[in-house]
Amino acid sequence: SAVISQKPSRDICQRGTSLTIQCQVDSQVTMMFWYRQQPGQSLTLIATANQGSEATYESGFVIDKFPISRPNLTFSTLTVSNMSPEDSSIYLCSVEKGTGGARTQYFGPGTRLLVL
Amino acid sequence: GQQLNQSPQSMFIQEGEDVSMNCTSSSIFNTWLWYKQDPGEGPVLLIALYKAGELTSNGRLTAQFGITRKDSFLNISASIPSDVGIYFCAGQRYGGSQGNLIFGKGTKLSVKP
Repeated sequence: SAVISQKPSRDICQRGTSLTIQCQVDSQVTMMFWYRQQPGQSLTLIATANQGSEATYESGFVIDKFPISRPNLTFSTLTVSNMSPEDSSIYLCSVEKGTGGARTQYFGPGTRLLVL
Repeated sequence: GQQLNQSPQSMFIQEGEDVSMNCTSSSIFNTWLWYKQDPGEGPVLLIALYKAGELTSNGRLTAQFGITRKDSFLNISASIPSDVGIYFCAGQRYGGSQGNLIFGKGTKLSVKP
């Protein structure tokens, strides 16, 4: 398994501002991901945070809106830029453990964002 | 994006009853994962399934990877109040988009003492 922490755990932000969310894992991992969970909804993958290269974004998510950093194998940040109320969600990071056909993802506790 | 068909959407049961929920997809997956999410928390992994037909238990929880690789179920036996929460299935394919962990919409479980 993996022990994952996120900061901040929650925040209330004003429209038009930006928030950077940090994710720290207790061991080196190759794969780290960022998900969004809108109120009462399931999880949607935003992007894969690649160490040493640009993040890989899923359809509907762009780097200008959700810039991601991955400076090393235990840490990543997600920035939610120029926020609007529609960005109010839980943002979760996850890490992949295992290899080959036995991979599993573990999730952090999430960052609850409310945009006013 | 693509989602799995997870049912039921919600369940209200009496303590001690057994629970069953399932996920289906039109596409095959290499891995099926089941998570539980409590309010204010991130999803916690319950069971991981890697082979078609695999049946795996974790305490009172049992899950199976469907033989067609397009479905999975989760059973909870003798439910207790702390089983309350939202259960998500997730399917994963390898290759292409490396994350590609696709989630069901969740089953909200309520247990009446």
